[in-house]
Amino acid sequence: EDQVTQSPEALRLQEGESSSLNCSYTVSGLRGLFWYRQDPGKGPEFLFTLYSAGEEKEKERLKATLTKKESFLHITAPKPEDSATYLCAVQAWAGNMLTFGGGTRLMVKP
Amino acid sequence: KAGVTQTPRYLIKTRGQQVTLSCSPISGHRSVSWYQQTPGQGLQFLFEYFSETQRNKGNFPGRFSGRQFSNSRSEMNVSTLELGDSALYLCASSLAFRRENGYTFGSGTRLTVV
Repeated sequence: EDQVTQSPEALRLQEGESSSLNCSYTVSGLRGLFWYRQDPGKGPEFLFTLYSAGEEKEKERLKATLTKKESFLHITAPKPEDSATYLCAVQAWAGNMLTFGGGTRLMVKP
Repeated sequence: KAGVTQTPRYLIKTRGQQVTLSCSPISGHRSVSWYQQTPGQGLQFLFEYFSETQRNKGNFPGRFSGRQFSNSRSEMNVSTLELGDSALYLCASSLAFRRENGYTFGSGTRLTVV
């Protein structure tokens, strides 16, 4: 059974204080690992897809990396508008569904 | 470009009733998936449709069902509602086999069962 665990559950940062979010996964053949951002009352917003170990992708202050067991979402010099819940999900070759982790709730204080 | 549209946005139903939720995917997207989001269980996969056929189904009771129409619009139905069915129901659409842009989610339907 595919499993995704995200840590920490919640993270408070000061504006400009860089940090990383962790996503540990087990999957029967990784087809893709996805990062999403979700704001309260809204659906998840797509950020990145990673396919194989060693891959990295960047978007503004966010950088996602992938190993065979984990993915990290690095946030550099965050701003208050980066406050949201960040979700990690895996997709196996066996099916098209996404298996989500519980998310990390990020709060960035000015 | 219009996003994924889900209707209604909010719904209050009584235990034992049934409910139908609607999802209009992004134009050209033929794959539609449904997820249930609750504070305790997080996001859980319900089912996925492609070209009017259910391709995958999650671990939910038979009270949860869905369908997809020829224009790719999808509906999900929950019969004999229980209090535990209260959740945010999210629909996601994608271009088949194209993972670069991930799955685009709608804003969801917030269902409250009383």
